[in-house]
Amino acid sequence: DTGVSQNPRHKITKRGQNVTFRCDPISEHNRLYWYRQTLGQGPEFLTYFQNEAQLEKSRLLSDRFSAERPKGSFSTLEIQRTEQGDSAMYLCASSFTRGSPTEAFFGQGTRLTVV
Amino acid sequence: GEDVEQSLFLSVREGDSSVINCTYTDSSSTYLYWYKQEPGAGLQLLTYIFSNMDMKQDQRLTVLLNKKDKHLSLRIADTQTGDSAIYFCAETSSRGDTGRRALTFGSGTRLQVQP
Repeated sequence: DTGVSQNPRHKITKRGQNVTFRCDPISEHNRLYWYRQTLGQGPEFLTYFQNEAQLEKSRLLSDRFSAERPKGSFSTLEIQRTEQGDSAMYLCASSFTRGSPTEAFFGQGTRLTVV
Repeated sequence: GEDVEQSLFLSVREGDSSVINCTYTDSSSTYLYWYKQEPGAGLQLLTYIFSNMDMKQDQRLTVLLNKKDKHLSLRIADTQTGDSAIYFCAETSSRGDTGRRALTFGSGTRLQVQP
């Protein structure tokens, strides 16, 4: 296992289109996180799964955003009716936690550009 | 809410020590982390410290935590040009199965190492 994998690495889309990103976590990791990072900022939390259950969502996650992790393995993040403000790097992270600490390992991200 | 702050930029000469500082507001923070991000790459976990510790050393890295002042620092000894990157401080109040799972990141400190 080579780590957290995200696809695609880059996506350019026209405003109003829908996009979907995929994240494949480290295989034995039960927790999966989505973050968004804009230029010059640190990552901001979007949502988190434990196995297939989506346990937490940030206020940043508007109704246009939906995330799934149907079998508790890979996850998808869909953005509907994209807006220019959605342009950012979308980062996925995974961790295996039995107790503490929560060491999250990040993928290389999907860079979204909305034109 | 939780807030993490860092200075934006630090420039040092190769061979000198670098000290990157971070302050946080959440008194319930249990783990504090340092991540490194190189251009075009994901976030790499460098080290972490539990809130009941005040120091942790790992090879060239030394983490100091002042819990009273909510101040965290990362010292890199014998800084090399390969250390040039953005360094993020992050915190969580996750404790086993309780507490906030997601990480709250600072905006990052860009470290420039001059030859």
